[in-house]
Amino acid sequence: DIQMTQSPSSLSASVGDRVTITCQASQDISNYLNWYQQKPGKAPKLLIYDASNLETGVPSRFSGSGSGTDFTFTISSLQPEDIATYYCQQYDNLLGVTFGPGTKVDIK
Amino acid sequence: QVQLVQSGAEVKKPGASVKVSCKASGYTFTSYGISWVRQAPGQGLEWMGWISAYNGNTNYAQKLQGRVTMTTDTSTSTAYMELRSLRSDDTAVYYCARDDYGDPTHFDYWGQGTLVTVSS
Repeated sequence: DIQMTQSPSSLSASVGDRVTITCQASQDISNYLNWYQQKPGKAPKLLIYDASNLETGVPSRFSGSGSGTDFTFTISSLQPEDIATYYCQQYDNLLGVTFGPGTKVDIK
Repeated sequence: QVQLVQSGAEVKKPGASVKVSCKASGYTFTSYGISWVRQAPGQGLEWMGWISAYNGNTNYAQKLQGRVTMTTDTSTSTAYMELRSLRSDDTAVYYCARDDYGDPTHFDYWGQGTLVTVSS
């Protein structure tokens, strides 16, 4: 299996702050990396696919970058409605799918 | 609009089986696949496997091989996930999600989740 790590595991930031989450894969996954937002009691929501592509309807303050083993997810200006847990997810057609452990974001 | 509507909550005893359904609407069912993802209480997301509604191909998480079966009924645009030999650590919310038809990739629409509780 491909293992995914995320850091930090949690963070507190002020409204308007720039927030950055990193995700690292245990082996090269090219750009096969997606990012999801999950609010309590709700299903996850796809935000970014293939490392840097913004899903339709997702605000432009969300962005992603990276390739290979190291990836970054950024919220350019944190809003109160962005309070959630964020997960990275890799896919490989032989080894399947793995999620990162998640990063919990709240407001300072 | 795309919708995935899952069956209701289940309570099962250890050793039993559970079958969760996921009815799709608002898109051409056979042009996509369905992945199943579960989340134990207070824990992260765990991918269980994928099925192509196009050709029935499957890809199961190694951890669940032999205990899980995913099927589709294209006549009703419904996907099913059956998990056998249930244990207490299978207690989780189970989600279906729309995926690519050729391989599992990314999940753009999700069901509302089905809570499965395994308890004696």
